[in-house]
Amino acid sequence: QVQLQESGPGLVKPSQTLSLTCTVSGGSISSGDYFWSWIRQPPGKGLEWIGYIYYSGRTYYNPSLKSRVTISVDLSKNQFSLKLNSSTAADTAVYYCTTDGGDFWGQGTLVTVSS
Amino acid sequence: DIQMTQSPSSLSASVGDRVSITCQASQDISKFLNWYQQKPGKAPKLLISDASNLETGVPSRFSGSGSGTVFTFTISSLQPEDIATYYCQQYGHLPYSFGQGTKLEI
Repeated sequence: QVQLQESGPGLVKPSQTLSLTCTVSGGSISSGDYFWSWIRQPPGKGLEWIGYIYYSGRTYYNPSLKSRVTISVDLSKNQFSLKLNSSTAADTAVYYCTTDGGDFWGQGTLVTVSS
Repeated sequence: DIQMTQSPSSLSASVGDRVSITCQASQDISKFLNWYQQKPGKAPKLLISDASNLETGVPSRFSGSGSGTVFTFTISSLQPEDIATYYCQQYGHLPYSFGQGTKLEI
C-alpha cells in the first residue's frame, strides 16, 4: 500500500517560493507504476490540479500555474517536490501529493502565504 | 482546458433517500472520470474510477454511470456516514480538472 506524506513550511512570505516535499513509502517512484501529482485546495473551496511528474522526470503543469511551478523528483530519497515561486495570498491552500489516478493521497499540509 | 460542471452545488436529503449528482464535461472525456468523497479536514477518497468502476472496499450503495460528456453519481440509500462533499474529476485530457463539488447534508 503506497503512502504519501507532505512536508514543508506552513508559512511563506508573499513573493517568496513555496516549497513542499512528498515522501513516498510502500512503493518506489522508480517502479514507473504511477505519475505523481500535486493538488491544492484553498480553505473552504474546491480542488485544483497543479501538475505531475513521472520517474523519468517528465512533467506536465497546469497552464494556469505553469509560469511559476516546478515539480522535481529525487529517486534516491523516493521523494518528489513542488516549488511555486512569486507566492501570493491566493496560493494559501492545503497542498496534497497524490498518485495521478487519485487512489493514494497524502494527508495534506496547509500553507499560508502571509507577511 | 476541459471545464467540469457539477450539480447541484448542495443537496439536502434524508437517511434512506436515493441521491444523484451530475457532472458535465465541456468536451468528450470518454470514460475517464473519477468520483471522490471528502470529509472535513480529510483528503479526498476515491470512490469510483473510469466513470463506473467501484474501488475496492467502497460500499455497493455508491455507483457511477455515463460516458462522453455527461456522468452521474448515485447513492442508492443514503447513510449518515455519507455526509461529505463529493467531487468529480476528469483525467481524459490534460490538465486534469475537478468539478466544483457537491455538499451533501442530511
